Amino acid sequence: EAQVTQNPRYLITVTGKKLTVTCSQNMNHEYMSWYRQDPGLGLRQIYYSMNVEATDKGDVPEGYKVSRKEKRNFPLILESPSPNQTSLYFCASRPGQHSYEQYFGPGTRLTVT
Amino acid sequence: AQSVTQLGSHVSVSEGALVLLRCNYSSSVPPYLFWYVQYPNQGLQLLLKYTSAATLVKGINGFEAEFKKSETSFHLTKPSAHMSDAAEYFCAVTRNTGGFKTIFGAGTRLFVKA
Repeated sequence: EAQVTQNPRYLITVTGKKLTVTCSQNMNHEYMSWYRQDPGLGLRQIYYSMNVEATDKGDVPEGYKVSRKEKRNFPLILESPSPNQTSLYFCASRPGQHSYEQYFGPGTRLTVT
Repeated sequence: AQSVTQLGSHVSVSEGALVLLRCNYSSSVPPYLFWYVQYPNQGLQLLLKYTSAATLVKGINGFEAEFKKSETSFHLTKPSAHMSDAAEYFCAVTRNTGGFKTIFGAGTRLFVKA
């Protein structure tokens, strides 16, 4: 089944403890992206990747890191999480430059205390 | 700069009534426009998209949207609401000049009353 998977689905952590949220797609898509969803703000783009070893900042990149070493994986890294990063996170993928619809993962609900 | 405005954070309709969810955008170049739906505890699913072909776009589950350049609008409609339509709906815009920057509206939660 074609899909985007994320792990974990739920995570509660403490301030400053490094964490990684994994994202994987099995559709051979070139583009991948991370969003955070907050009430009343919709989805805001954190980082995106156009292909392996090609990443760029979205609108809210502060406090996050990403890497794209393989085409199928695009992990989101929080080196020192803070409570304002408590949010619902979505990974998405898109086939390529001329195909604009995105396919979303199920989401990761992160709570930082 | 691009922006997306969805009028009404909550919309309530009766089952069988018309659904109208409003979306206005601003973009310095012709955009690609999308409506996504999010059911509780799920990710977003594509409802429909406008990519500079027909201005009236039909999507899944009986939804459609019309691109009106003069009004910079892309409102989502469905003639007859069903209980299963209750969800959150997001309008999004992507520039058609390449790249991956996508701007989402704040979302509209649709309630359907029996």
